[in-house]
Amino acid sequence: DGGITQSPKYLFRKEGQNVTLSCEQNLNHDAMYWYRQDPGQGLRLIYYSQIVNDFQKGDIAEGYSVSREKKESFPLTVTSAQKNPTAFYLCASSMLGDRNTEAFFGQGTRLTVV
Amino acid sequence: SQQGEEDPQALSIQEGENATMNCSYKTSINNLQWYRQNSGRGLVHLILIRSNEREKHSGRLRVTLDTSKKSSSLLITASRAADTASYFCASGGGGFKTIFGAGTRLFVKA
Repeated sequence: DGGITQSPKYLFRKEGQNVTLSCEQNLNHDAMYWYRQDPGQGLRLIYYSQIVNDFQKGDIAEGYSVSREKKESFPLTVTSAQKNPTAFYLCASSMLGDRNTEAFFGQGTRLTVV
Repeated sequence: SQQGEEDPQALSIQEGENATMNCSYKTSINNLQWYRQNSGRGLVHLILIRSNEREKHSGRLRVTLDTSKKSSSLLITASRAADTASYFCASGGGGFKTIFGAGTRLFVKA
């Protein structure tokens, strides 16, 4: 079964902690993305990667970090510098080379600061 | 404000009725896509319409694109309770250049 998997589904973070959200895909996609979704809002791009060992900041990268050591994996770390991290985080992947291509999304991780 | 903006923000209809959602965008696009999101879940791709296309169908879905007005509409015919979800338009250059609107929340009453 090809797809994109995010874990955990729910995550609780204490003030000042770093937490890492996992995203794995077996679709052989080159491009991967992290989005943040707040209630009643659209998706905002945090980071994206088009190739292994390379990634670029999106619109709201401050307080987040990523790595892309393997094609299949694109973990997101929410650092203590992110002042308002409570949100729903979505990972996606897509093919490169064709701009008219759909994105495949994981089921999301809901992060709550306690 | 965001590139893609949906209208209305929320829509409540009876099962069997048609649901129409609209999307406006600001800059030139390669394509416009519609996605569906069930509550607390990821987005699922519904349909993509290219900038040189005017209309596209997929099952009960009909999408139109008017590049002169920078707008698109999604029509769901003969709606079902299972169509209850949020619907997002995504426009732009594709990939990381795709910008998502805030969505229309559709509620279909059985």
